[in-house]
Amino acid sequence: GAGVSQTPSNKVTEKGKYVELRCDPISGHTALYWYRQSLGQGPEFLIYFQGTGAADDSGLPNDRFFAVRPEGSVSTLKIQRTERGDSAVYLCASSSTPGLAGSITSTDTQYFGPGTRLTVL
Amino acid sequence: QQQVKQSPQSLIVQKGGISIINCAYENTAFDYFPWYQQFPGKGPALLIAIRPDVSEKKEGRFTISFNKSAKQFSLHIMDSQPGDSATYFCASWGTNAGKSTFGDGTTLTVKP
Repeated sequence: GAGVSQTPSNKVTEKGKYVELRCDPISGHTALYWYRQSLGQGPEFLIYFQGTGAADDSGLPNDRFFAVRPEGSVSTLKIQRTERGDSAVYLCASSSTPGLAGSITSTDTQYFGPGTRLTVL
Repeated sequence: QQQVKQSPQSLIVQKGGISIINCAYENTAFDYFPWYQQFPGKGPALLIAIRPDVSEKKEGRFTISFNKSAKQFSLHIMDSQPGDSATYFCASWGTNAGKSTFGDGTTLTVKP
């Protein structure tokens, strides 16, 4: 089946503009994650959805960042008043409902999309 | 505060050699420890993962060694190949907790 897809693959915008980044998770996956990856660093957690609700948004850097997942499938990451420091690759991942402790099943695996490279000029 | 520390930052290995990457975590509530492989322009892909109830897991040429008391785990790549050249990330999180923490990555170069 299809993997996680993200659009656009590249986005160039000007400082102060508003951007939306889209993530299509693997069909049937209830959990969805957004990460930000800067050059030379590991993915930095932003927000985690379980179904339609944001179960943990503690990684969002400030109130300019917001994400939604209204129908429990596609998610959109929204960034207002973009700043040059927002330039990074934004990654989305999805997984099934977390599995039971003591076992490793495919439900624990986070499957990543290819990312959206955001450049703020 | 970084909760997962990864080393080395870069690693060069000859073809056929063993690549070893180390990770240390802080949060004792973490119970899932995966290693991801990332090629340029691609998203990370799961390589192998372990839970703290076992000390070692092997899948093909890849082995995770886990030391719960030291809060450390490592990735061993046996018979390293040029195609293994990529960036490797360790990560950790608690099941049902959602929030995950990644290391800063190790760039592996396998020379032919």
